[in-house]
Amino acid sequence: AVQLVESGGGLVQPKESLKISCTVSGLTFSNAAIYWVRQAPGKGLEWVARIRTKPNNYATYYADSVKSRFTISRDDSKSMVYLQMDNLKTEDTAMYYCTAGSTTGWFTYWGQGTLVTVSS
Amino acid sequence: DVVMTQTPPSLSVAIGQSVSISCKSSQSLVYSDGKTYLHWLLQSPGRSPKRLIYQVSNLGSGVPDRFSGTGSQKDFTLKINRVEAEDLGVYYCAQTTHFPPTFGSGTKLEIK
Repeated sequence: AVQLVESGGGLVQPKESLKISCTVSGLTFSNAAIYWVRQAPGKGLEWVARIRTKPNNYATYYADSVKSRFTISRDDSKSMVYLQMDNLKTEDTAMYYCTAGSTTGWFTYWGQGTLVTVSS
Repeated sequence: DVVMTQTPPSLSVAIGQSVSISCKSSQSLVYSDGKTYLHWLLQSPGRSPKRLIYQVSNLGSGVPDRFSGTGSQKDFTLKINRVEAEDLGVYYCAQTTHFPPTFGSGTKLEIK
């Protein structure tokens, strides 16, 4: 079975940094585009970032709300994806979900999420 | 950004009834390859989202055929036949035709 397991969430103060991770198993990781989607408490879903595969030069894409502050990366040898979050703001407080694509497209598989809280 | 408008925001149905959820986009969701990248997800209480339907009408793996999706261009519908207790949660439509991908605000399904 496909599993995505996020880790690294926690409580940080505004302007601080945090790096969250996602470990993927059960699929050919190197062939999968990976996305981060977040959900603020009591709110809906918001796409955050995307990283494509090696044949697509590991191209990355970001929502305007996080561009220049967040960086998505991947390590195919470890089947892991990371989201480096810098200059965090209170509005970045959310559950962060890692989600993988497949031959049927985006958001095929989801992790359980990791909670990031930005508060002073 | 493409705005996805879902209606109704919430609904309450009895077990065995059928329901429909509407999703309208501010732009056509037909991509240059001719495909329409409109998807439906369900977030059960306390759980992460799960993709039910992709590209308008294709059921995801393991999704019961009580679920069906229809629509084209800017107007889409998710129908659930014979609602079961496990169907409760928040349903989201999502588009990945245009950048950035966007989600509807959700429809909360409650069981009477």
